[in-house]
Order: sequence, then C-alpha cells, then structure tokens
Amino acid sequence: DGGITQSPKYLFRKEGQNVTLSCEQNLNHDAMYWYRQDPGQGLRLIYYSQIVNDFQKGDIAEGYSVSREKKESFPLTVTSAQKNPTAFYLCASSIVPRAETQYFGPGTRLLVL
Amino acid sequence: ELKVEQNPLFLSMQEGKNYTIYCNYSTTSDRLYWYRQDPGKSLESLFVLLSNGAVKQEGRLMASLDTKARLSTLHITAAVHDLSATYFCAVGDYGGSQGNLIFGKGTKLSVKP
Repeated sequence: DGGITQSPKYLFRKEGQNVTLSCEQNLNHDAMYWYRQDPGQGLRLIYYSQIVNDFQKGDIAEGYSVSREKKESFPLTVTSAQKNPTAFYLCASSIVPRAETQYFGPGTRLLVL
Repeated sequence: ELKVEQNPLFLSMQEGKNYTIYCNYSTTSDRLYWYRQDPGKSLESLFVLLSNGAVKQEGRLMASLDTKARLSTLHITAAVHDLSATYFCAVGDYGGSQGNLIFGKGTKLSVKP
C-alpha cells in the first residue's frame, strides 16, 4: 500500500532533550512538509522540502530542525530550544511543490514530561 | 500576509438539517482545499477547488469557490451522525513559501440525532 507513515504515534520528551519524529512516504512524491497542530487550531507549517537535500523554513521553524537525505524520508527534530513542544505533528507530501493535493500521515502526538 | 477565517468554529446540528460552513481568505490564491479531521486522527482530503465558480460534490457535502469574493462554502445537506468531525479549509499561499497551505482554525461539527 502506498502512503505516509509517521512514528512513533506518541512521544514523550524530557526537558532539555532533543527528540526526532520520523516521516516516511512511498508515494514517490518530491515535496514533503511538517505541520504543527495545537488544540482547537489549524495547522501551521514548520518546514518543507521540495527536493532531496533541500529544505526551507516555514512559519514556525524556531526550535526545530529537519533533513532530507532521501526522497522518501523527512525526519523532524524537536530541539531543547523549542520551549512549548506539546502538540500534534503532521507530516504531509505532494507529488510536486504546489501540487493539487497534500496527503497527510497519521500524526505523532508529542508530550512533555 | 494571507489569512484564512472560518465560521462558525463550532456547529451543532440535528440529523436531517442543512447548513453551510464559510471560509474567507484575505489575498488572491489559485487553490482552495477542504479537509476533514476525526478526533485524534490525521487530515483527509475532501475537495480541491482551482477556479472561480468551481463546485464539487461528494455525497452530502458540496463545496464551492468564489475567487472574486475570496469565499468558499462547504454545504451540508441532510446531515447524518457520520459527518461529525472537524472541517478545515486551507488556501494555497502565493506570497510565502512555495506550496505552503494556510489553514483556517477549523469548524467542529457535531450532528445529533
């Protein structure tokens, strides 16, 4: 089955710790995205990548980092600099940038201990 | 800066009734999306509207786009309980990141018997 997978489903972070959220797609899509969703809010863009080895900051990139070493993978690291990381994180992909539709993964819920 | 506003944010309906969700956006865009999100789940693409006057229908949901008024509507006909979810509109952002979607805050729909 083609799709987007995210892991883990739930992630707990201790203060001062960096954690990495995984996002993998087997849709052969060029573009991948990370969004953050807070309760009762819409989604906000953290980072996006149009092509391998390239990525751009979104609207709320501070405290986050990404890499895009392979077409199918776009991991997100939540660093200790992100002071309020508790949120639902959604990864998405599209066949090309500005394609008609972005497809979303199942999400990772990050909680702070 | 592109802003997207949805209203209402909360909607409680009785089964069998009709209602409309509104999505206004502040600057020109060439595409508008409607997504559905069930509690704790990811986003499911419902409609993509690409031109003025576009209308798309799927079951009891119909979406339309008026680019001159910068308004999209999601009309619900004869609501059923299964339609209970949060509905997001999102607008493609020309002026910001390539391929960025700006999301509304969502409309939480509850359909009661």
